[in-house]
Amino acid sequence: GEDVEQSLFLSVREGDSSVINCTYTDSSSTYLYWYKQEPGAGLQLLTYIFSNMDMKQDQRLTVLLNKKDKHLSLRIADTQTGDSAIYFCAERGGSARQLTFGSGTQLTVLP
Amino acid sequence: NAGVTQTPKFQVLKTGQSMTLQCAQDMNHNSMYWYRQDPGMGLRLIYYSASEGTTDKGEVPNGYNVSRLNKREFSLRLESAAPSQTSVYFCASSESLAREDEQFFGPGTRLTVL
Repeated sequence: GEDVEQSLFLSVREGDSSVINCTYTDSSSTYLYWYKQEPGAGLQLLTYIFSNMDMKQDQRLTVLLNKKDKHLSLRIADTQTGDSAIYFCAERGGSARQLTFGSGTQLTVLP
Repeated sequence: NAGVTQTPKFQVLKTGQSMTLQCAQDMNHNSMYWYRQDPGMGLRLIYYSASEGTTDKGEVPNGYNVSRLNKREFSLRLESAAPSQTSVYFCASSESLAREDEQFFGPGTRLTVL
């Protein structure tokens, strides 16, 4: 089946930028998503990018998509302690009716 | 406007027991979903309901049944719980199955099967 890979952990200092990376295998992926999960809560959609875009910016968030390498990244500028959470990459391709999630990256923001 | 609510928040079962996880949404969404989340893994889709009156299997449906009771409610039943079903279960809903429609998630039910 299709696969989405992420590194498990990332630590940054408050005020620095965070970059969370994701790779996927489904070449027919049309929508790629970033979700945030805070402790004890469900997932919250942060942003998504359509496959005909290379970049999408939304306030402190920048999503970069490299379709050739099937690589997606999420950059959080000026990372704050409130950004500490698990970040999931997900994709949905072709005629698929479901999202395929990565295993999540635990972001820890150090003071 | 509560969004997506799930009950219970926590549950401990013995192997072989049955239970139903409840989910309700107040956003008038057509589509609803059940996922499970296991440590070190992303969410995996168990079942989904495109609209009231329809249900379909997702990636990992074995050992589960669902009921779309009405437009608001979508329940997940474990007929004979197994330790492999220890997981956190999330319900979600969206306007439709369209890719651009955001899925809204409930807070989750943490289930332990002994």
